[in-house]
Amino acid sequence: GAGVSQSPSNKVTEKGKDVELRCDPISGHTALYWYRQSLGQGLEFLIYFQGNSAPDKSGLPSDRFSAERTGGSVSTLTIQRTQQEDSAVYLCASRDGGGQETQYFGPGTRLLVL
Amino acid sequence: DQQVKQNSPSLSVQEGRISILNCDYTNSMFDYFLWYKKYPAEGPTFLISISSIKDKNEDGRFTVFLNKSAKHLSLHIVPSQPGDSAVYFCAASKGTSYGKLTFGQGTILTVHP
Repeated sequence: GAGVSQSPSNKVTEKGKDVELRCDPISGHTALYWYRQSLGQGLEFLIYFQGNSAPDKSGLPSDRFSAERTGGSVSTLTIQRTQQEDSAVYLCASRDGGGQETQYFGPGTRLLVL
Repeated sequence: DQQVKQNSPSLSVQEGRISILNCDYTNSMFDYFLWYKKYPAEGPTFLISISSIKDKNEDGRFTVFLNKSAKHLSLHIVPSQPGDSAVYFCAASKGTSYGKLTFGQGTILTVHP
């Protein structure tokens, strides 16, 4: 797998349910980002992981959102008690962290909250 | 507070002609700028970038120009091809050790055969 992968590709859930979105970054990349794109909007930064440092959670819109990165690789974004305004495409990106600026994006998870 | 703005939601050009996509930013701390292309149902794909120490960067048919005094950058595609039809996002970051990107809203480019 050369690229960033995300699962599921699509998720439909009912308001109030919890959802988990998964990201597998490019192997060896130490930096991992989550963004979301709401309809008609640009990409909005959510959270950033770099190695073993404390994550930057400054973009998370509410305390219903949380993310983990286990073993410095796979990351999971969890949304608790989903609301209709959480409907968006959630994108994950990784970067090698060695001075290269380019972030490589996965295909995204399309979340629809009914 | 929209720190990166793409004021043209869409652009339509003829195949073979030049496409010019524009982007403005307000935060003078941004020092690295990128353009991404996005096809439907796919993640954004990196196209080209430029550091604030330069005013031009070229890669094949793609050239990015940076005007720091005007806080403006543009992406030129020449010649445009139908396969270039996609949504183009500009993005900016502060510093080289972090890389958190602030994105514009995107411009839909349509290249007609």
